Amino acid sequence: SQTIHQWPATLVQPVGSPLSLECTVEGTSNPNLYWYRQAAGRGLQLLFYSVGIGQISSEVPQNLSASRPQDRQFILSSKKLLLSDSGFYLCAWSVPSSGSYNEQFFGPGTRLTVL
Amino acid sequence: SQKIEQNSEALNIQEGKTATLTCNYTNYSPAYLQWYRQDPGRGPVFLLLIRENEKEKRKERLKVTFDTTLKQSLFHITASQPADSATYLCALENQAGTALIFGKGTTLSVSS
Repeated sequence: SQTIHQWPATLVQPVGSPLSLECTVEGTSNPNLYWYRQAAGRGLQLLFYSVGIGQISSEVPQNLSASRPQDRQFILSSKKLLLSDSGFYLCAWSVPSSGSYNEQFFGPGTRLTVL
Repeated sequence: SQKIEQNSEALNIQEGKTATLTCNYTNYSPAYLQWYRQDPGRGPVFLLLIRENEKEKRKERLKVTFDTTLKQSLFHITASQPADSATYLCALENQAGTALIFGKGTTLSVSS
């Protein structure tokens, strides 16, 4: 069966510090991968998605970046965190198809607080 | 641009009643729509998908309708239970067909 892991579960970082969140998927090959952010009182905001190694599409311009160094590994990074980066970060995967037709499977999330 | 609205942030009902949640969208004609459940501090979990050529879909106590003329989907939970208390999200594919766009969700509270 497929599983998705995210770490860390919670993170408190000072403004201006770097960030690295990691997501890995097991039990499937060549998944579509997604990073979302959920801020308090707001919906799920798609940040990045990837259809393959090294292929990253950005949905929202910001100080975050994403990388996919391996087929089932997706990393979210920042060189300098802002207060507005606080939120609940979720990684998700779906079975690759011609679109995003298939359901998405979400990880447990990382709660990031920037102070 | 595409817009998705779940017009109730919160919905409170009594156990045993039917909960009805609404999802409206504009500026777009999606091929399908999905519903997810999210519990506090956890990632969303997929519930149902309905295609544009399907008027209604059921799964146990859940029922989803999709009216492409009204640009609206209704999500029903019959015989609701306190365990159904959660936030429910609707989602549509973006116009490029590459990812999902989620509504802000409706938080359902079922009291016993």
